[in-house]
Order: sequence, then C-alpha cells, then structure tokens
Amino acid sequence: GQQVMQIPQYQHVQEGEDFTTYCNSSTTLSNIQWYKQRPGGHPVFLIQLVKSGEVKKQKRLTFQFGEAKKNSSLHITATQTTDVGTYFCAGRGTTDSWGKLQFGAGTQVVVTP
Amino acid sequence: EAQVTQNPRYLITVTGKKLTVTCSQNMNHEYMSWYRQDPGLGLRQIYYSMNVEVTDKGDVPEGYKVSRKEKRNFPLILESPSPNQTSLYFCASMGGLYNSPLHFGNGTRLTVT
Repeated sequence: GQQVMQIPQYQHVQEGEDFTTYCNSSTTLSNIQWYKQRPGGHPVFLIQLVKSGEVKKQKRLTFQFGEAKKNSSLHITATQTTDVGTYFCAGRGTTDSWGKLQFGAGTQVVVTP
Repeated sequence: EAQVTQNPRYLITVTGKKLTVTCSQNMNHEYMSWYRQDPGLGLRQIYYSMNVEVTDKGDVPEGYKVSRKEKRNFPLILESPSPNQTSLYFCASMGGLYNSPLHFGNGTRLTVT
C-alpha cells in the first residue's frame, strides 16, 4: 500500500534561518495537503497542492509538488518563534479511495531565539 | 462557530473496560475520520466514514469500532481497551468535495493501564 515518508523527523533552527522539510510517497498522489500542529494543539490545514510541479506561497512558506506527484516540500524562510510546531504532509493515492488520506510522521520544528 | 467537538479530552481507564470517545461536527460534513497520533508515527487513520451508515477501515482498525447513524456524530468505540491503545486520538471532518481540507477536533488523550 501507499506509504508517505517525511524527513527530517526533527529540525532545530536558529531564528532567522531557513529550512526545508520533505515528503516522499511510494506511489503517485492525487493531491497533497500540509498541516501544522502547535505544541499541545491539533493539526490545522495550511495548503493543498494538486497539479504536477505546482508551487504555492504563503508569506514565508513555500510549498512545492514534484513533477511526478510523488514528493513535496515545505520551505520556510527567516524562521520565527511562531513557526514552532510539527508539520505534516498528507497524501491521497490515485488508486486509493479518496477517503484514505495518509499522513507522514511529521517534522517537529524547534526554533532557538 | 464551525467546529469538531471531541469528548472527553483526557481519559484514564483500565484494560478491558469498554469506552466510547464521542465526536460531533456542526458543519454538515459528509466525511468524518478517526486518527491516532503516536510519537514518531505521525497520524494513522483508524476508520473513516464517507456518509451516514458508510464506514471503512483505515490503516490501523484493529481493536476499534465506529458507527455513523447520523451525519453529525462519529463515535469511536474501544470494546476491550489494551495498553497499546494508549495514544492521542483525533477526530476530523471534511466537506463533501474531494479536495477539501480536514477539520480536526482538539484531541482525546487516552491512557489504558
């Protein structure tokens, strides 16, 4: 079955630095979504990518969907303390029921002032 | 306010004592789903429901039951809880469209001793 792998598992970042988290699927995805979970909170939707090669930006966050629709990345520039949390990608396989949304293990981001 | 409400937020129980975690949404969403979150494993789907009286297994359904008798409610039932079901549980709902985002409840932290 489909597997979604996310790296790195942990990311320690100095405030002001950039970092990237990656999401890789073993199968082609219909779409991919990104969520952010603050410490002690619940996952909150950030964005969805649908098209091959799609790039979307939200202020300092840049999301990318690979050409083969099997991988995605989230790049954060000039990290701030408000970026602390765990970032999850979630994908739907093209042959799966659309109800089966598979999450990666998440990247836990710690920001040092 | 549009929301997904889970109860209880915290639950400590003993092995074998049946329990139910309730989930209710007020957004008239067709789709609802249960996830468990464990360190290093991310969010794993337990069961999902695409509409009333329709439920399907996710990736880790063993030891759990669900029902969807009405659109707004999707309870998670543990008939005979075991310590390996100690986890953080999230209920989520989604509008009827394929590309819609998930809306998560605040979570239920379950401890089985």
